[in-house]
Amino acid sequence: QVQLVESGGGVVQPGRSLRLSCAASGFTFSSYAMHWVRQAPGKGLEWAALISYDGNNKYYADSVKGRFTVSRDNSKNTLYLQMNSLRPEDTAVYYCASGTYSRSDRWGQGTLVTVSS
Amino acid sequence: QSVLTQPPSVSAAPGQKVTISCSGSIGNNYVSWYQQLPGTAPKLLIYDNNERPSGIPDRFSGSKSGTSATLGITGLQTGDEADYYCGTWDSSLSAGVFGGGTKLTVL
Repeated sequence: QVQLVESGGGVVQPGRSLRLSCAASGFTFSSYAMHWVRQAPGKGLEWAALISYDGNNKYYADSVKGRFTVSRDNSKNTLYLQMNSLRPEDTAVYYCASGTYSRSDRWGQGTLVTVSS
Repeated sequence: QSVLTQPPSVSAAPGQKVTISCSGSIGNNYVSWYQQLPGTAPKLLIYDNNERPSGIPDRFSGSKSGTSATLGITGLQTGDEADYYCGTWDSSLSAGVFGGGTKLTVL
């Protein structure tokens, strides 16, 4: 069945780095754009980043631009989010989602990132 | 700060109909709607303004007019209690955007 499984979350100190992964299965990963969407505790959804199906186009929210890098390895059916210079306001559940630029069809269960000293 | 504006909450009785609005920088972009049940990941309800993915009942509908979009839910059930979000790709910003979310209470 279609599945997206995030991993790599945890507790990290401000200023440090973390890399999230999203393993895809059950569909043709290389045919779909992939999003990272985050949700701070008790808050709404915030779009963070998008990578095109072939990895050639990448887009970021202003709040993460210059600090986060999205990438993908279509040979491994895996999406990544490299997060540098983390801030307390980056604390959130991070979801990966597949789809098109304008929609996210399938979502993972999310991984929690906590930035705290 | 959300570029799309939704009402914070709506409520209605079981069996009734409710609509949730979404306004802002939609322009010519397609709008999607997502349902997030408590403690779970979001789920796509409507895409391309008014299309339903396979498995989504026709109690859920979407429409768009100008810079506003609307999600309609008929025959409300207690299981529909959730947060609902609109979203789009803002081609002028080259960024995804979500509304602030609307909490639906089925009284």
